[in-house]
Amino acid sequence: DQQVKQNSPSLSVQEGRISILNCDYTNSMFDYFLWYKKYPAEGPTFLISISSIKDKNEDGRFTVFLNKSAKHLSLHIVPSQPGDSAVYFCAASDGANSKLTFGKGITLSVRP
Amino acid sequence: GAGVSQSPRYKVAKRGQDVALRCDPISGHVSLFWYQQALGQGPEFLTYFQNEAQLDKSGLPSDRFFAERPEGSVSTLKIQRTQQEDSAVYLCASSLNEGRVETQYFGPGTRLLVL
Repeated sequence: DQQVKQNSPSLSVQEGRISILNCDYTNSMFDYFLWYKKYPAEGPTFLISISSIKDKNEDGRFTVFLNKSAKHLSLHIVPSQPGDSAVYFCAASDGANSKLTFGKGITLSVRP
Repeated sequence: GAGVSQSPRYKVAKRGQDVALRCDPISGHVSLFWYQQALGQGPEFLTYFQNEAQLDKSGLPSDRFFAERPEGSVSTLKIQRTQQEDSAVYLCASSLNEGRVETQYFGPGTRLLVL
Protein backbone atom coordinates (compact mmCIF):
# COMPACT_ATOMS: atom_id res chain seq x y z
CA ASP A 1 0.00 0.00 0.00
CA GLN A 2 1.65 3.19 -1.24
CA GLN A 3 1.49 5.83 1.49
CA VAL A 4 3.10 8.47 -0.73
CA LYS A 5 1.83 8.67 -4.28
CA GLN A 6 3.19 10.47 -7.28
CA ASN A 7 0.59 9.53 -9.84
CA SER A 8 2.14 11.10 -12.91
CA PRO A 9 5.26 9.26 -14.06
CA SER A 10 6.52 12.10 -16.23
CA LEU A 11 6.14 15.79 -17.04
CA SER A 12 7.48 17.83 -19.92
CA VAL A 13 7.59 21.65 -19.86
CA GLN A 14 9.11 24.42 -21.93
CA GLU A 15 12.14 26.27 -20.59
CA GLY A 16 11.07 29.38 -18.70
CA ARG A 17 7.61 28.07 -17.88
CA ILE A 18 6.38 26.76 -14.54
CA SER A 19 6.76 23.09 -13.57
CA ILE A 20 4.22 21.75 -11.07
CA LEU A 21 4.93 18.37 -9.53
CA ASN A 22 2.23 16.80 -7.40
CA CYS A 23 2.29 14.38 -4.50
CA ASP A 24 -0.47 12.82 -2.39
CA TYR A 25 -0.20 10.96 0.88
CA THR A 26 -2.51 8.77 2.91
CA ASN A 27 -0.87 8.60 6.35
CA SER A 28 -2.23 11.39 8.54
CA MET A 29 0.70 10.93 10.92
CA PHE A 30 3.13 12.38 8.37
CA ASP A 31 4.26 15.79 9.59
CA TYR A 32 7.37 16.58 7.56
CA PHE A 33 7.71 16.50 3.81
CA LEU A 34 10.71 16.72 1.53
CA TRP A 35 11.47 16.87 -2.17
CA TYR A 36 14.57 15.25 -3.58
CA LYS A 37 16.02 15.48 -7.07
CA LYS A 38 17.91 12.62 -8.64
CA TYR A 39 20.18 12.47 -11.66
CA PRO A 40 21.09 9.10 -13.22
CA ALA A 41 23.81 7.19 -11.33
CA GLU A 42 23.71 9.64 -8.44
CA GLY A 43 22.00 9.59 -5.07
CA PRO A 44 18.97 11.78 -4.34
CA THR A 45 19.83 15.40 -3.61
CA PHE A 46 17.76 17.37 -1.10
CA LEU A 47 15.81 20.26 -2.63
CA ILE A 48 13.32 21.68 -0.19
CA SER A 49 11.18 20.64 2.76
CA ILE A 50 8.10 21.74 4.65
CA SER A 51 6.75 21.08 8.11
CA SER A 52 3.07 20.37 8.64
CA ILE A 53 2.72 23.59 10.64
CA LYS A 54 3.28 25.55 7.43
CA ASP A 55 1.45 25.63 4.14
CA LYS A 56 4.19 27.12 1.99
CA ASN A 57 7.97 27.19 1.87
CA GLU A 58 10.00 29.01 -0.75
CA ASP A 59 13.66 28.76 -1.71
CA GLY A 60 14.69 30.60 -4.82
CA ARG A 61 12.98 29.11 -7.85
CA PHE A 62 11.46 26.31 -5.76
CA THR A 63 8.25 26.56 -3.73
CA VAL A 64 6.49 23.74 -1.94
CA PHE A 65 2.82 24.01 -1.02
CA LEU A 66 1.12 21.79 1.54
CA ASN A 67 -2.63 21.21 1.80
CA LYS A 68 -3.10 19.08 4.92
CA SER A 69 -6.84 18.69 4.58
CA ALA A 70 -6.40 17.25 1.10
CA LYS A 71 -3.23 15.37 2.05
CA HIS A 72 -1.59 16.92 -0.98
CA LEU A 73 1.63 18.75 -1.66
CA SER A 74 3.13 20.23 -4.76
CA LEU A 75 6.50 21.51 -5.90
CA HIS A 76 6.58 24.55 -8.15
CA ILE A 77 9.68 25.39 -10.16
CA VAL A 78 9.70 28.85 -11.73
CA PRO A 79 11.23 29.46 -14.18
CA SER A 80 12.08 25.95 -15.30
CA GLN A 81 15.57 25.40 -16.71
CA PRO A 82 16.99 22.51 -18.78
CA GLY A 83 19.26 21.61 -15.84
CA ASP A 84 16.13 20.86 -13.82
CA SER A 85 15.54 17.77 -15.94
CA ALA A 86 15.76 14.87 -13.49
CA VAL A 87 13.63 12.50 -11.42
CA TYR A 88 11.90 14.19 -8.49
CA PHE A 89 10.90 12.25 -5.39
CA CYS A 90 8.40 13.32 -2.78
CA ALA A 91 9.14 11.94 0.69
CA ALA A 92 7.40 12.09 4.06
CA SER A 93 8.19 11.37 7.69
CA ASP A 94 6.05 10.85 10.77
CA GLY A 95 8.88 11.90 13.06
CA ALA A 96 9.34 8.47 14.64
CA ASN A 97 12.97 7.59 13.93
CA SER A 98 12.63 10.05 11.03
CA LYS A 99 12.74 7.36 8.35
CA LEU A 100 11.46 8.61 5.02
CA THR A 101 8.65 7.13 2.95
CA PHE A 102 9.13 7.94 -0.74
CA GLY A 103 6.87 8.13 -3.74
CA LYS A 104 7.83 6.44 -7.01
CA GLY A 105 9.16 9.64 -8.49
CA ILE A 106 8.31 11.76 -11.50
CA THR A 107 10.62 12.38 -14.44
CA LEU A 108 10.74 16.05 -15.37
CA SER A 109 11.98 17.07 -18.81
CA VAL A 110 12.54 20.76 -19.51
CA ARG A 111 12.71 21.48 -23.23
CA PRO A 112 15.05 24.27 -24.39
CA GLY B 1 35.11 14.11 2.03
CA ALA B 2 32.20 16.48 2.10
CA GLY B 3 29.42 14.05 1.33
CA VAL B 4 28.25 10.51 1.99
CA SER B 5 30.36 7.95 0.17
CA GLN B 6 29.52 4.37 -0.66
CA SER B 7 31.55 1.47 -1.98
CA PRO B 8 31.59 -0.38 -4.19
CA ARG B 9 29.57 1.65 -6.68
CA TYR B 10 28.71 -1.49 -8.64
CA LYS B 11 28.63 -5.10 -7.56
CA VAL B 12 27.81 -8.20 -9.59
CA ALA B 13 27.22 -11.33 -7.55
CA LYS B 14 26.29 -14.87 -8.40
CA ARG B 15 23.16 -16.11 -6.72
CA GLY B 16 24.08 -17.56 -3.34
CA GLN B 17 27.11 -15.34 -2.79
CA ASP B 18 27.46 -13.06 0.22
CA VAL B 19 28.03 -9.34 -0.37
CA ALA B 20 29.06 -6.44 1.86
CA LEU B 21 28.23 -2.83 1.06
CA ARG B 22 29.99 0.03 2.81
CA CYS B 23 28.77 3.49 3.76
CA ASP B 24 30.87 6.40 5.02
CA PRO B 25 28.50 9.05 6.38
CA ILE B 26 29.17 12.75 6.65
CA SER B 27 31.56 13.35 9.54
CA GLY B 28 29.70 14.09 12.75
CA HIS B 29 26.36 12.82 11.53
CA VAL B 30 24.65 10.84 14.25
CA SER B 31 21.90 9.18 12.24
CA LEU B 32 22.47 6.72 9.40
CA PHE B 33 19.87 5.10 7.18
CA TRP B 34 19.91 2.37 4.56
CA TYR B 35 17.36 2.30 1.74
CA GLN B 36 16.76 -0.11 -1.13
CA GLN B 37 15.65 1.25 -4.50
CA ALA B 38 14.27 -1.19 -7.05
CA LEU B 39 14.10 -0.21 -10.71
CA GLY B 40 11.35 2.33 -11.35
CA GLN B 41 10.51 2.71 -7.67
CA GLY B 42 11.31 5.15 -4.92
CA PRO B 43 13.79 4.29 -2.16
CA GLU B 44 12.39 2.02 0.56
CA PHE B 45 13.59 2.12 4.14
CA LEU B 46 15.66 -0.80 5.39
CA THR B 47 17.23 0.16 8.71
CA TYR B 48 18.29 3.08 10.92
CA PHE B 49 21.21 3.70 13.29
CA GLN B 50 21.65 6.36 15.90
CA ASN B 51 25.38 6.31 16.59
CA GLU B 52 26.19 2.59 16.95
CA ALA B 53 22.71 1.57 18.05
CA GLN B 54 20.43 0.00 15.46
CA LEU B 55 17.09 1.47 16.50
CA ASP B 56 14.92 0.27 13.66
CA LYS B 57 15.41 -2.69 11.36
CA SER B 58 11.78 -3.15 10.43
CA GLY B 59 12.47 -2.65 6.73
CA LEU B 60 14.98 -5.46 6.31
CA PRO B 61 13.26 -7.91 3.93
CA SER B 62 14.64 -11.12 5.43
CA ASP B 63 17.12 -12.47 7.93
CA ARG B 64 19.64 -12.66 5.08
CA PHE B 65 20.07 -8.91 5.49
CA PHE B 66 22.26 -7.64 8.30
CA ALA B 67 23.60 -4.17 9.04
CA GLU B 68 26.10 -2.88 11.55
CA ARG B 69 27.76 0.37 12.60
CA PRO B 70 30.11 -0.76 15.35
CA GLU B 71 31.87 2.54 16.08
CA GLY B 72 29.05 4.88 15.21
CA SER B 73 30.57 6.03 11.95
CA VAL B 74 31.08 3.67 9.00
CA SER B 75 28.27 1.21 8.37
CA THR B 76 28.16 -2.08 6.48
CA LEU B 77 25.10 -3.72 4.96
CA LYS B 78 25.62 -7.43 4.44
CA ILE B 79 23.43 -9.66 2.33
CA GLN B 80 23.91 -13.37 2.72
CA ARG B 81 23.06 -15.96 0.07
CA THR B 82 22.00 -13.32 -2.44
CA GLN B 83 18.91 -13.89 -4.55
CA GLN B 84 17.92 -12.31 -7.86
CA GLU B 85 15.25 -10.25 -6.14
CA ASP B 86 18.00 -8.53 -4.12
CA SER B 87 19.10 -6.74 -7.31
CA ALA B 88 18.60 -3.04 -6.61
CA VAL B 89 20.41 0.16 -5.75
CA TYR B 90 21.29 0.36 -2.07
CA LEU B 91 21.37 3.91 -0.77
CA CYS B 92 22.89 5.16 2.43
CA ALA B 93 21.89 8.48 4.00
CA SER B 94 23.03 10.37 7.07
CA SER B 95 21.66 13.25 9.09
CA LEU B 96 23.03 15.39 11.85
CA ASN B 97 20.72 15.02 14.81
CA GLU B 98 19.50 12.13 16.89
CA GLY B 99 16.09 10.84 16.02
CA ARG B 100 14.60 14.17 15.03
CA VAL B 101 13.26 14.75 11.58
CA GLU B 102 16.22 16.19 9.75
CA THR B 103 17.27 16.49 6.18
CA GLN B 104 18.90 13.26 5.10
CA TYR B 105 21.88 13.45 2.76
CA PHE B 106 22.30 10.54 0.40
CA GLY B 107 25.32 8.81 -1.03
CA PRO B 108 25.55 7.79 -4.70
CA GLY B 109 24.38 4.25 -3.96
CA THR B 110 25.68 0.78 -4.69
CA ARG B 111 24.07 -0.91 -7.67
CA LEU B 112 23.85 -4.64 -6.95
CA LEU B 113 23.12 -7.12 -9.70
CA VAL B 114 22.57 -10.74 -8.72
CA LEU B 115 22.86 -13.20 -11.60
